[in-house]
Amino acid sequence: GIQVEQSPPDLILQEGANSTLRCNFSDSVNNLQWFHQNPWGQLINLFYIPSGTKQNGRLSATTVATERYSLLYISSSQTTDSGVYFCAVESRRYSTLTFGKGTMLLVSP
Amino acid sequence: SAVISQKPSRDICQRGTSLTIQCQVDSQVTMMFWYRQQPGQSLTLIATANQGSEATYESGFVIDKFPISRPNLTFSTLTVSNMSPEDSSIYLCSVEQSGSAGELFFGEGSRLTVL
Repeated sequence: GIQVEQSPPDLILQEGANSTLRCNFSDSVNNLQWFHQNPWGQLINLFYIPSGTKQNGRLSATTVATERYSLLYISSSQTTDSGVYFCAVESRRYSTLTFGKGTMLLVSP
Repeated sequence: SAVISQKPSRDICQRGTSLTIQCQVDSQVTMMFWYRQQPGQSLTLIATANQGSEATYESGFVIDKFPISRPNLTFSTLTVSNMSPEDSSIYLCSVEQSGSAGELFFGEGSRLTVL
């Protein structure tokens, strides 16, 4: 199946700092999503972005499908941004979503 | 997006027992999936719940251990059978809505602890 690698595995930020999370994948994709899992375990959809760039408030994402990576940008981070960020992809060969191992983000006041 | 409700939200179970998790969606959806998230780990797909037919299981998951039902387009159940402590996980229901181009949405999850 498709391989999904996220980096960094852990990240600690001071409130107000910016960060970039990366997702590399090993095959062409039909679907790529970014999720935030809050401390209570709820998975929140951030972006559906198989290609291109999207922005939603302080968050934005870019997927360069031809180079098989996606980036999630968090600007002016807040303590409520803490949690685990997952990238999940669906390859063109396998029609199920495969998750990366996630980036655990801690934003301290 | 669809509202996805899971029950129970959490439970503590005894070794050897079975528990059924319910997933209810407030609108008809094309695809429903069940995922498992073991402590500190990522999400792993257990199976695709097929309406009116047997679920499609991923490698490493079998029907005897994780029987799944999907009697209609808005409801599915996952049973975790003959539980052991290794089954302690969050179990998540996921749906793909009609016309959503493959975007998945998740329920709140069911956090099971097996003693």
